[in-house]
Amino acid sequence: AQTVTQSQPEMSVQEAETVTLSCTYDTSENNYYLFWYKQPPSRQMILVIRQEAYKQQNATENRFSVNFQKAAKSFSLKISDSQLGDTAMYFCAFEMNRDDKIIFGKGTRLHILP
Amino acid sequence: DAMVIQNPRYQVTQFGKPVTLSCSQTLNHNVMYWYQQKSSQAPKLLFHYYDKDFNNEADTPDNFQSRRPNTSFCFLDIRSPGLGDAAMYLCASGQGVSGANVLTFGAGSRLTVL
Repeated sequence: AQTVTQSQPEMSVQEAETVTLSCTYDTSENNYYLFWYKQPPSRQMILVIRQEAYKQQNATENRFSVNFQKAAKSFSLKISDSQLGDTAMYFCAFEMNRDDKIIFGKGTRLHILP
Repeated sequence: DAMVIQNPRYQVTQFGKPVTLSCSQTLNHNVMYWYQQKSSQAPKLLFHYYDKDFNNEADTPDNFQSRRPNTSFCFLDIRSPGLGDAAMYLCASGQGVSGANVLTFGAGSRLTVL
């Protein structure tokens, strides 16, 4: 069975700093997809970024980028120039290529401090 | 705006009294999901539908049932809620094409069991 592990329950950084959230996963599959979702306080969960396992190039979306290490089964999220609005729970998620099931990690609660 | 709507946002029930949570989506997505989210835990997939095809997770208790009468609506029925069923219940929808299966989440229904 696939598992997703986020080892940092909570983090705090100053506004404008760069922060990296860790995620590791376990799978025997070769084709799969990885995601980072963000859940702001009392608001809906939304997609931050996604990565296809067959792509070597790391995905980037504005201030958000990932470091995808397939051999190490690691998928970290880097937030550059952090903003107060980045305060949220961040969930790492995994989807196999052959079904629609999406498995989540426990999340990292990120606080951006003014 | 196309979105996923969950009702009610807050539900209080008594131990053993059945409860139904509803979810609707205007995105015309093929797949609808129900997740259970408890504090400091990963959102746990209960089941999902691809169109009318129901996919139950092996560890989802029999106490939890679901219905999807049409593309837009999906219901979560908890037949005899126990104290351990108190949680946030998240509904999500997705197109269902693996890898392009970005989920759109509702705001959640928080269930309290007295």
